[in-house]
Amino acid sequence: DAGVTQSPTHLIKTRGQQVTLRCSPKSGHDTVSWYQQALGQGPQFIFQYYEEEERQRGNFPDRFSGHQFPNYSSELNVNALLLGDSALYLCASSFGTGSEKLFFGSGTQLSVL
Amino acid sequence: QQPVQSPQAVILREGEDAVINCSSSKALYSVHWYRQKHGEAPVFLMILLKGGEQKGHEKISASFNEKKQQSSLYLTASQLSYSGTYFCGTKTTLGAAQKLVFGQGTRLTINP
Repeated sequence: DAGVTQSPTHLIKTRGQQVTLRCSPKSGHDTVSWYQQALGQGPQFIFQYYEEEERQRGNFPDRFSGHQFPNYSSELNVNALLLGDSALYLCASSFGTGSEKLFFGSGTQLSVL
Repeated sequence: QQPVQSPQAVILREGEDAVINCSSSKALYSVHWYRQKHGEAPVFLMILLKGGEQKGHEKISASFNEKKQQSSLYLTASQLSYSGTYFCGTKTTLGAAQKLVFGQGTRLTINP
């Protein structure tokens, strides 16, 4: 049983570019949440997707957008990259939006130069 | 609002005990504990839902003091495998889809 998978594992971009990160949830899960984790900090909630809609959003600008597909996989898009966007981006899946237990992927390490 | 964890870092010898605290300025509905090893995904440890509730996971247990709005994670007779960064996450209501807010983490190092 595959857990949460994210791609790519590492990415290097330059300021102003756009990036797309991908996430496949654990089998049987229908909800995907995205977190940003800066070095030495705890994960910060970006948004959550359920039934192909954004259900909750954290304090992130509109440059951060997402999508969920019918197979429950999800993408995180970041436009007009800033140096401060450099971080580990974690995807977490769960069954239902109220589930208390999250399963995390290993993340995508994004470096913005 | 982000919960505050203390201490920020702990260094122990194998077999010693440790306590990690998580405090919130808001009333809490639940506290969630995760452990993240370097370069790996955070892994769920346990959830505490009621005031005064205690839970255990092997030699790792936790308590939740609803009145004090804080939770403590207890690691007994620590093993090398316990090394990693521990995060508490909090929710203030039961509402579906409420986001989990994580603390800044406590780095635990266990030496032989």
